[in-house]
Amino acid sequence: GQNIDQPTEMTATEGAIVQINCTYQTSGFNGLFWYQQHAGEAPTFLSYNVLDGLEEKGRFSSFLSRSKGYSYLLLKELQMKDSASYLCAVRDSNYQLIWGAGTKLIIKP
Amino acid sequence: ETGVTQTPRHLVMGMTNKKSLKCEQHLGHNAMYWYKQSAKKPLELMFVYNFKEQTENNSVPSRFSPECPNSSHLFLHLHTLQPEDSALYLCASSQDNRANQPQHFGDGTRLSIL
Repeated sequence: GQNIDQPTEMTATEGAIVQINCTYQTSGFNGLFWYQQHAGEAPTFLSYNVLDGLEEKGRFSSFLSRSKGYSYLLLKELQMKDSASYLCAVRDSNYQLIWGAGTKLIIKP
Repeated sequence: ETGVTQTPRHLVMGMTNKKSLKCEQHLGHNAMYWYKQSAKKPLELMFVYNFKEQTENNSVPSRFSPECPNSSHLFLHLHTLQPEDSALYLCASSQDNRANQPQHFGDGTRLSIL
C-alpha cells in the first residue's frame, strides 16, 4: 500500500529553527508537495520538489532524497504565525496525490 | 474575487436532510476536486473532475453526489448522511489533473450531522 509518515505534533520556540520530516512509500514518484494549513483555513501551497536536493524559499526550505523516500521542511527564524499544520503529499505514478496526516507545529514564545 | 470560494462555511443537518455544498474557482483552472478532512487523518480524495468530466470516484458512498456544470463550479449534493460523515469538506482546483501543478484550496465547509 501507499503511505506517508510525518510526526503528529512538534513544539518549537519563537526565533528558532525546526525541521519537519516526511517519509513515503508510493507506487512511483512524480513530485512532493508541502502545504501549510492554519486552523479553520485552507491548505496553502509552500513548496514542490521533484529532483534531489534543497529548495530554498525565504525562511522556508524543502529537501528531497528520492532514493531514501524522504523529505523535510525546514523553517527558520520561527514566528508565532508559523503555528499551523504542515501537510506532506506525494504524487504517484498515476499522478494521484497521496497525503500525510499532517504535523501540527506549536510555536512558544 | 480570486481563488477558490466555498459556501456555506458551516452546515448542520439531520440525517434525513438534503443539502448541497458549492465551490467556485476564479483561477481559470480545468481540474476540480472534493476532499474530506477528518481530525488527525490524511486528506481523503473523493471526486476529481478534469475539463468537466469526472475522472475519479474513490469508492465514495452514493449518499454523496457530485456535479460539475462548468469548469468554474463544483457541487457536492448530500442526502441521508451518517454521523461519521461529519468532517471538513475541502474543494480544490489545479491547472489540470495530470500536470505537476499545486492544488489551490478553498476554506472548506465544516459539516456536522446530527
